[in-house]
Amino acid sequence: SQTIHQWPATLVQPVGSPLSLECTVEGTSNPNLYWYRQAAGRGLQLLFYSVGIGQISSEVPQNLSASRPQDRQFILSSKKLLLSDSGFYLCAWSPGGSGANVLTFGAGSRLTVL
Amino acid sequence: AQSVTQLGSHVSVSEGALVLLRCNYSSSVPPYLFWYVQYPNQGLQLLLKYTSAATLVKGINGFEAEFKKSETSFHLTKPSAHMSDAAEYFCAVSDGGTGGFKTIFGAGTRLFVKA
Repeated sequence: SQTIHQWPATLVQPVGSPLSLECTVEGTSNPNLYWYRQAAGRGLQLLFYSVGIGQISSEVPQNLSASRPQDRQFILSSKKLLLSDSGFYLCAWSPGGSGANVLTFGAGSRLTVL
Repeated sequence: AQSVTQLGSHVSVSEGALVLLRCNYSSSVPPYLFWYVQYPNQGLQLLLKYTSAATLVKGINGFEAEFKKSETSFHLTKPSAHMSDAAEYFCAVSDGGTGGFKTIFGAGTRLFVKA
């Protein structure tokens, strides 16, 4: 069966510090991978998605970036965090190809920037 | 462009009462529609999905949703609420195309269930 792991679960970072959130998927190959952010009281905002190694699409211009160094690994990064980067970050995967895009989510990473 | 509007950020019902969570979508192509549920400090779980096979879709935990093209709606219902249904619910839409398709989520509706 497929599983998705996301870490760290919680982190508190000072403004201006770097960020690295990691997500890995097991039990499948060539998945589509996604990073969403959920701010307090708001819905999910799609940040990045990827259909293959090295292929990243950005949905929202910001100081975050994403990379996919391996087929089942998706990393969210920042060189310098802003207060507005605080939120709950969710990684998700879906099967590649066309059809109903059912997402399977990780447990999330809660980021607090102080 | 696709979009989703969920009417009501908070809904409160009594245990045993009908649950109705409203969702309207906008899509230039036949959409795939979804409802997801999120429990506190967890990721989202799929409740049900509409993929054009049938307009009335049954999901887990007794939930169902009806696709109404004329109203561009996909409302979620459950005949009798249970305390364990208290959570946040998200309606979502995607076009299901190849090449990396996106799922757009509504702002969410938090369901409170009173004893």
